[in-house]
Amino acid sequence: DQQVKQNSPSLSVQEGRISILNCDYTNSMFDYFLWYKKYPAEGPTFLISISSIKDKNEDGRFTVFLNKSAKHLSLHIVPSQPGDSAVYFCAASKSSGDKLTFGTGTRLAVRP
Amino acid sequence: DAGITQSPRHKVTETGTPVTLRCHQTENHRYMYWYRQDPGHGLRLIHYSYGVKDTDKGEVSDGYSVSRSKTEDFLLTLESATSSQTSVYFCAISEPVARVSYNEQFFGPGTRLTVL
Repeated sequence: DQQVKQNSPSLSVQEGRISILNCDYTNSMFDYFLWYKKYPAEGPTFLISISSIKDKNEDGRFTVFLNKSAKHLSLHIVPSQPGDSAVYFCAASKSSGDKLTFGTGTRLAVRP
Repeated sequence: DAGITQSPRHKVTETGTPVTLRCHQTENHRYMYWYRQDPGHGLRLIHYSYGVKDTDKGEVSDGYSVSRSKTEDFLLTLESATSSQTSVYFCAISEPVARVSYNEQFFGPGTRLTVL
């Protein structure tokens, strides 16, 4: 039972445009949501997070939006850069410091 | 970068042999995790530890055991490796901090294991 879903395995975007990565979850007990970025042959690195009491969190070019009623979150990257090309994982947990449940990942390719 | 190392980084072994992967951290973080990454499955939690000698099972723990005798080391053992355990294994650490909304996990570089 996949509690965190990333239905788009891949996404291709032109440099300078917006990248939108989507994530859906089924467990209403999830309270914290995170995005990780992963380059080949490296471990995932933390990108941005949001708690369920917020609907938006912004950090530079990265913004995460949370729609609790739809159990949906999205990561916006504006403007997209070639160095953003990586696999992006969304993750969720039921409380601060609790175990993470990851989605299957979306491979983003930013074309120069 | 968080001080997390994994050894070995690559290993090829045969079905039925025991394998131990090591995760070592220099951050003194209490929580440690083992994940496996497979195409179509993302990252799945195998085992985790909230302190020395305090370990518990994740969602895909069958065929794996762990030990944590020191804060800095978390060992993952495949008692009798099978081809289905061919994967990339990641260790992660985190440290709960009071009054912080979330404490993200920091990942090691991974170990690529091939079971023939």
